[in-house]
Amino acid sequence: NAGVMQNPRHLVRRRGQEARLRCSPMKGHSHVYWYRQLPEEGLKFMVYLQKENIIDESGMPKERFSAEFPKEGPSILRIQQVVRGDSAAYFCASSSGTGALSSYNEQFFGPGTRLTVL
Amino acid sequence: AQSVAQPEDQVNVAEGNPLTVKCTYSVSGNPYLFWYVQYPNRGLQFLLKYITGDNLVKGSYGFEAEFNKSQTSFHLKKPSALVSDSALYFCAVRDIGAGGSYIPTFGRGTSLIVHP
Repeated sequence: NAGVMQNPRHLVRRRGQEARLRCSPMKGHSHVYWYRQLPEEGLKFMVYLQKENIIDESGMPKERFSAEFPKEGPSILRIQQVVRGDSAAYFCASSSGTGALSSYNEQFFGPGTRLTVL
Repeated sequence: AQSVAQPEDQVNVAEGNPLTVKCTYSVSGNPYLFWYVQYPNRGLQFLLKYITGDNLVKGSYGFEAEFNKSQTSFHLKKPSALVSDSALYFCAVRDIGAGGSYIPTFGRGTSLIVHP
């Protein structure tokens, strides 16, 4: 059973370009979470999605950032017009369960995408 | 509201000695508590969780954690440290009380360094 897959593992973009990060959850998991990690700030929640729905995007910047989890295919975190401050490691996690049952399930993390903006 | 604190940025311990990585939390209801470990250039790996029941929780790689409600703590422990335990450790909490969040809040992480 493959774990959470993320690609690319490393992504280099110039300022103003778009970054597209992909995440395939563990088989059977329908909950996806995106986090950003900076060395001095720890792990920061960005967005929580279920299939075709954004459940909580309270941690995601209002501009330039968007996320989706379509019925088919991986979850996508898209950053438009990247700036140097977007350089970070972006982690995707997935969990199983529905409704209240998902609340105590641990999250399984992917290896991350390290975004560097030149 | 929920929050978690890991008061130590770094913990140093000699191989073979017991280790403790501290975590305290704040919730308005009851907590679900988790520990994760992150090795360099890797994602977080789940170690253990407290949901209910016994206050002492045993997890992967010989780690355990004790839930202490009166002290609002959930310290991670291991009786005998290995050099391979050197990594970044994250505590996370979810408040399952009224107004709680289904998104866990993670601590800033504690770097554990085990010296040979």
